[in-house]
Amino acid sequence: DAKTTQPTSMDCAEGRAANLPCNHSTISGNEYVYWYRQIHSQGPQYIIHGLKNNETNEMASLIITEDRKSSTLILPHATLRDTAVYYCIVRVGLLYNFNKFYFGSGTKLNVKP
Amino acid sequence: DAGVIQSPRHEVTEMGQEVTLRCKPISGHNSLFWYRQTMMRGLELLIYFNNNVPIDDSGMPEDRFSAKMPNASFSTLKIQPSEPRDSAVYFCASSFTEMNTEAFFGQGTRLTVV
Repeated sequence: DAKTTQPTSMDCAEGRAANLPCNHSTISGNEYVYWYRQIHSQGPQYIIHGLKNNETNEMASLIITEDRKSSTLILPHATLRDTAVYYCIVRVGLLYNFNKFYFGSGTKLNVKP
Repeated sequence: DAGVIQSPRHEVTEMGQEVTLRCKPISGHNSLFWYRQTMMRGLELLIYFNNNVPIDDSGMPEDRFSAKMPNASFSTLKIQPSEPRDSAVYFCASSFTEMNTEAFFGQGTRLTVV
């Protein structure tokens, strides 16, 4: 049911920007793109979300292409504590009350010293 | 707010026993989700409630699984009888219904059925 595809794993040097790509080519016009991460076996942690404009918060930036078929999560200065599995999710909604979060396989980001 | 609260954090039970997992969503949230996570299948959505009503339970694996939400501040996921293959981490999450609002996850219940 997942509507997104992500690379299985990525490496990033500590202090450098981590750019995590996601394809969501079947996204519908009213569906939002969300990013979560999961560290070890903790509950998934919300990072950021967007519809069509680029978004930035204290954790990350989200760049969504103009056709909305892909996006990139940017961690500007990765630290060792950013090592986690990152999930790109499309919040699926057929009707107003029928909107759910489906998780795919995610990208394991390894931040190395 | 203390966030989404799940109990117990760990549960070890024998095959055939009934198991009840509990979730207290964030106050004011009207959507609640139960997920199961295993190495093989990742994070699977089991059931979704909106305003205490089960909207979609297509992810519930078998009749042995049932979920209830008697009020806006409490939900349970019950497995009866439990089997070893039910061993997993079960997460509860809550959110507002609107599509541009994030869901918040609890810390999960690690279930081991021996």
